[in-house]
Amino acid sequence: DIQMTQSPSSLSASVGDRVTITCRASQGISNYLAWYQQKPGKVPKLLIYAASTLQSGVPFRFSGSGSGTDFTLTINSLQPEDVATYYCQKYNSAPFTFGPGTKVDIK
Amino acid sequence: EVQLVESGGGLVKPGGSLRLSCAASGFTFSSYSMNWVRQAPGKGLEWVSSISSSSSYIYYTDSVKGRFTISRDNAKNSLYLQMNSLRAEDTAVYYCARDSGSYLYYFDYWGQGTLVTVSS
Repeated sequence: DIQMTQSPSSLSASVGDRVTITCRASQGISNYLAWYQQKPGKVPKLLIYAASTLQSGVPFRFSGSGSGTDFTLTINSLQPEDVATYYCQKYNSAPFTFGPGTKVDIK
Repeated sequence: EVQLVESGGGLVKPGGSLRLSCAASGFTFSSYSMNWVRQAPGKGLEWVSSISSSSSYIYYTDSVKGRFTISRDNAKNSLYLQMNSLRAEDTAVYYCARDSGSYLYYFDYWGQGTLVTVSS
């Protein structure tokens, strides 16, 4: 099975900073990659699918890129409401594995 | 408005069984694949199982194969997860999630989750 990794596992940044989270697949998955945001105590929320397509209603400061094995989620101008854990997920084929998550907080 | 409401969670002893349900509304249930995702306390998300719109395709994560059974009743707009031979490591919040509607298994709507605790 394809394994998903994320780095870093956690980060602390200042409001207004640009934040980058990396997700790597152990084998190529084309662009079958989604990103989710889970705020503390809340249900996960879809941010991005097809590696770079923003889900409706998601702020434009979120963006995604990548293809094959390496993917990036970028938050331009971090806001206090972006404090959350971010997960990537592959969906090219089963198992539809999630990455271990990256916890983002405010410095 | 899309709504997914899970039920059926609770405390069960190791080796026991539990049946989770997910009641769907606000969309054409029979047109979407449906999924179960779980999250152990303080841990990350783990995909558990998926079922296509007509139940033709069913998938499980390896750790639940042979123990869990996913099913759906399109007439009742409901998704189910029958969990047998439960283990302590199955303790988690179980979320029902809808896929994108294009047989692409990313999840655009999630329920609030139901907690399953496996303990003696």
